[in-house]
Amino acid sequence: GAGVSQSPSNKVTEKGKDVELRCDPISGHTALYWYRQRLGQGLEFLIYFQGNSAPDKSGLPSDRFSAERTGESVSTLTIQRTQQEDSAVYLCASSSGQGRGVNTEAFFGQGTRLTVV
Amino acid sequence: AQKITQTQPGMFVQEKEAVTLDCTYDTSDPSYGLFWYKQPSSGEMIFLIYQGSYDQQNATEGRYSLNFQKARKSANLVISASQLGDSAMYFCAMREGPSGSARQLTFGSGTQLTVLP
Repeated sequence: GAGVSQSPSNKVTEKGKDVELRCDPISGHTALYWYRQRLGQGLEFLIYFQGNSAPDKSGLPSDRFSAERTGESVSTLTIQRTQQEDSAVYLCASSSGQGRGVNTEAFFGQGTRLTVV
Repeated sequence: AQKITQTQPGMFVQEKEAVTLDCTYDTSDPSYGLFWYKQPSSGEMIFLIYQGSYDQQNATEGRYSLNFQKARKSANLVISASQLGDSAMYFCAMREGPSGSARQLTFGSGTQLTVLP
């Protein structure tokens, strides 16, 4: 597609339920990032995929959070046993990354607004 | 230690005036890239400008310029001739690492800019 696509755009879930958020990156982009943005706050890094390398999971806040990506395609972020503190906008971004090092900007999706009630 | 520091939670500027948004960073990598993003109230993240650590000249993109002071580890964004549409949250970000092995993008806490008519 032309840009980074995230779905759903909005998700309301009950506390304790599992949720799965999807990110479809720009075709050909090897790098993919997930961030969390609480209301009025900055972007909190969650996880980073770069090609076939092992992902950087250093930002995942707990073992309830996991993410997968197959090759250079779609990624899913899963939050198990959701809690109210998980309410936030989850942003996905992709960049061409590989071979171009530090100088490639990341393109963001519109985000998924998650509300845990 | 914070990798990216934005010390101005909020800034006000008169329409048509210039404004500088501050950003300092912390890294021991000789190779890194610095980015500025704009996030309007609609929520999307818009890439504005990039500066590489080895770039000899300050980056410019239209009304945006980056005042890069490497020794001070600062990368301030200058917006000239402010417009009402510039009212938004502005984030400074950094990616560290040599070419081909760049790491994840780290964001500052942001500065909320309000342009006054």
